[in-house]
Amino acid sequence: AQSVTQLGSHVSVSEGALVLLRCNYSSSVPPYLFWYVQYPNQGLQLLLKYTSAATLVKGINGFEAEFKKSETSFHLTKPSAHMSDAAEYFCAVSGGSGGYQKVTFGTGTKLQVIP
Amino acid sequence: EAGVAQSPRYKIIEKRQSVAFWCNPISGHATLYWYQQILGQGPKLLIQFQNNGVVDDSQLPKDRFSAERLKGVDSTLKIQPAKLEDSAVYLCASSPGAFAYNEQFFGPGTRLTVL
Repeated sequence: AQSVTQLGSHVSVSEGALVLLRCNYSSSVPPYLFWYVQYPNQGLQLLLKYTSAATLVKGINGFEAEFKKSETSFHLTKPSAHMSDAAEYFCAVSGGSGGYQKVTFGTGTKLQVIP
Repeated sequence: EAGVAQSPRYKIIEKRQSVAFWCNPISGHATLYWYQQILGQGPKLLIQFQNNGVVDDSQLPKDRFSAERLKGVDSTLKIQPAKLEDSAVYLCASSPGAFAYNEQFFGPGTRLTVL
């Protein structure tokens, strides 16, 4: 079984401040981990993914995430928030049985950026 | 490259009526997913197709929901009869493969309101 826990359904930061969105996972197999972003009235878009090549993963729009196996975490960060970063962010874990991908999404964190 | 297309974008129906959603995945993508996203929650997988075969439909309420993917391309999701708790955004996603590391590409979703 696999699961994802996102701490904080809402996070507010000031423009220019550090963004930190938390994600902890549980997986019985070595996981693949994803962060997706969802803007209002749109589908989800991939920000970055961890596939075991490197523990620090850089994504689009200046976001990055670090895989920490000992903490079962994959927190998303951005050094300086922009107004355009306001959106909902979903962490997801992917494992598989029988050779097929099974993705479990977290409940999401809505990021508000205050001017 | 064209993205995942979904229609309609919005649908309002009365309870006990039927409704159908259509999805056209990215060309060449073998794997297609339907998710249900209830307000304030992460996407929940309803059904996963690999080409035109069903890989996972364990969370599909089969007494009222049905889905098909003809010729391994387009897909339709039907609800009959609808209940109030079916109000949600229905997301279609596609992926070039079904491996755990594959990214999913999402359509804009269909927002269903059941009155």
